[in-house]
Amino acid sequence: GAGVSQSPRYKVAKRGQDVALRCDPISGHVSLFWYQQALGQGPEFLTYFQNEAQLDKSGLPSDRFFAERPEGSVSTLKIQRTQQEDSAVYLCASSLVRLGGNRETQYFGPGTRLLVL
Amino acid sequence: QKEVEQNSGPLSVPEGAIASLNCTYSDRGSQSFFWYRQYSGKSPELIMSIYSNGDKEDGRFTAQLNKASQYVSLLIRDSQPSDSATYLCAVNRGTYKYIFGTGTRLKVLA
Repeated sequence: GAGVSQSPRYKVAKRGQDVALRCDPISGHVSLFWYQQALGQGPEFLTYFQNEAQLDKSGLPSDRFFAERPEGSVSTLKIQRTQQEDSAVYLCASSLVRLGGNRETQYFGPGTRLLVL
Repeated sequence: QKEVEQNSGPLSVPEGAIASLNCTYSDRGSQSFFWYRQYSGKSPELIMSIYSNGDKEDGRFTAQLNKASQYVSLLIRDSQPSDSATYLCAVNRGTYKYIFGTGTRLKVLA
């Protein structure tokens, strides 16, 4: 595919349900990011992968949030026992190389809009 | 104090005018600065990056950086209704972590 894809695009969950959000980065991209964007806010960093290694998970709001990228390509963000405050758009972004040089462009996916009732 | 601050707007400008969007940041160690455009319901799209003091021009867009004042701005010349969107300022401290502002909503009036 030409860009980053995410699925599902929309998810409605009942409070307490577990959800899994998928991200397909651009082929060959080493770095992968997950962000949470609440309504009217900018994206907030959740976690960062370099290939299959999760190098930073400091932004994950609680231990109910878990992310993985087992083969260094597709990534899944899992939220257990969803709460209403988890309602947000979850954005995935990827970049070609590792961002040690901090100038590499991040390409964002369309996001998954999660609504917890 | 937020790490990256932007006026949420909306900033309304008439078609053809210059739109000026501003962003301040708190970390003096910040090294890279980015402007993203985000249409309603869509994902952010990079439009400008700037790394050193001064101006950087790309088409109708000019990014301005003043590290001493911890200030970065985006000018959009000859604004068009299609420029109506939220503009996000992002700052990087030299690692993989980007800090985003809350965005400024721009409305270009036809």
